[in-house]
Amino acid sequence: RKEVEQDPGPFNVPEGATVAFNCTYSNSASQSFFWYRQDCRKEPKLLMSVYSSGNEDGRFTAQLNRASQYISLLIRDSKLSDSATYLCVVKRDDKIIFGKGTRLHILP
Amino acid sequence: DTGVSQDPRHKITKRGQNVTFRCDPISEHNRLYWYRQTLGQGPEFLTYFQNEAQLEKSRLLSDRFSAERPKGSFSTLEIQRTEQGDSAMYLCASSLTYDSSGNTIYFGEGSWLTVV
Repeated sequence: RKEVEQDPGPFNVPEGATVAFNCTYSNSASQSFFWYRQDCRKEPKLLMSVYSSGNEDGRFTAQLNRASQYISLLIRDSKLSDSATYLCVVKRDDKIIFGKGTRLHILP
Repeated sequence: DTGVSQDPRHKITKRGQNVTFRCDPISEHNRLYWYRQTLGQGPEFLTYFQNEAQLEKSRLLSDRFSAERPKGSFSTLEIQRTEQGDSAMYLCASSLTYDSSGNTIYFGEGSWLTVV
């Protein structure tokens, strides 16, 4: 079993819709959590950190459930430019571990 | 530009040849990571440095792979006797030991390797 698991998708979503991604991690010692965005053939870029209390950045909301070892990302009012792969990232000790990513296609 | 830079951005090599990639991290970052990414997969951890010390190596890093960070600044990743399975994007990233965001890492644009 992979340490960080994500549904690979693709999620095909009409513009303006709300879409949610989930991620689970297997090691309860994991300390920090992030969502990264990666465009095709580009490097990953930090989208947002994920805090225990949940956090929001514009149309993006991230949630963490430590008891269930589960992280989520919600995108509201999706835009064509949101089309990308979303990587769930977990930090444990000094290791930073990536999920395989979830592909999102926003349809016009 | 003060981001992470990698060189070369693209490399095509014949099987059996050696290749070397260079990474220049963000200047005040003391941690440097190497990852490998193939199509449809997330980045896979290869190794990381704290200053000049190589603190961890993945089992993915076979004997043909070696990484150095001699002065705690730039790093090199060398692949000897390349195989077709080495074809991937090699990503370098850097971070501070600690920051308020919990060690956010910043990636370079990657070095694409194609072994023919």
